[in-house]
Amino acid sequence: QVQLVHSGAEVRKPGASVRVSCQASGYTFSAYYIHWVRHAPRQGLQWMGRIIPNGGGTNYAQEFQDRVSMTVDTSINTVYMELNRLTSEDTAIYYCAKEASHRSRYFDSWGQGTLVSVSS
Amino acid sequence: IQMTQSPSSLSAFLGDSVTITCRASQGIANYLAWYQQKPGKVPEVLIFASSTLQPGVPSRFSGSGSGTEFTLTISSLQPEDAATYYCQRYNTAPWTFGQGTKVEI
Repeated sequence: QVQLVHSGAEVRKPGASVRVSCQASGYTFSAYYIHWVRHAPRQGLQWMGRIIPNGGGTNYAQEFQDRVSMTVDTSINTVYMELNRLTSEDTAIYYCAKEASHRSRYFDSWGQGTLVSVSS
Repeated sequence: IQMTQSPSSLSAFLGDSVTITCRASQGIANYLAWYQQKPGKVPEVLIFASSTLQPGVPSRFSGSGSGTEFTLTISSLQPEDAATYYCQRYNTAPWTFGQGTKVEI
């Protein structure tokens, strides 16, 4: 079965960077986009971007374009999301999610999420 | 393209039928999914392609719509349906979510 396993919770100071990982198993890793979505306290779900492991191509949401980077290590079936210049508004749970297929791009599996806390 | 859900919250009784509406600011054909997120849990897909039930999802959940107007209906509300429900468009980037509808029972 599909599994997406996140790295552990992180605490950062404002202005710092954070990198969250998501390790996939149970399917052909290279063939499906992985998306990143965050859920801030008292907010809704916010799409951040996606990466295709086969080639590393990315699409980023405009609001994160200048400070997010998504990368992949196919040798260990892991994708990474790095967010720079953190502020308190970046405190959120960050999820990776697998795209169902190239023809149906909803998210059929989600990781358990990584809590990122930003505080001075 | 913006996705607007209504209502933002609702309260209903066990056994009731409830409907949540999602409107897209531009036509998205049927590229619409619904997710359920229970408190402290990971979102899970209920419906994709506007009306196709994800395997394993109870049949009391149903979706309809095309273009700009979509609905999620939960018939015969159960205690485990207490959650926040999000619509999402996925025809093209960005993959926009609605702001969510909190369902209390």
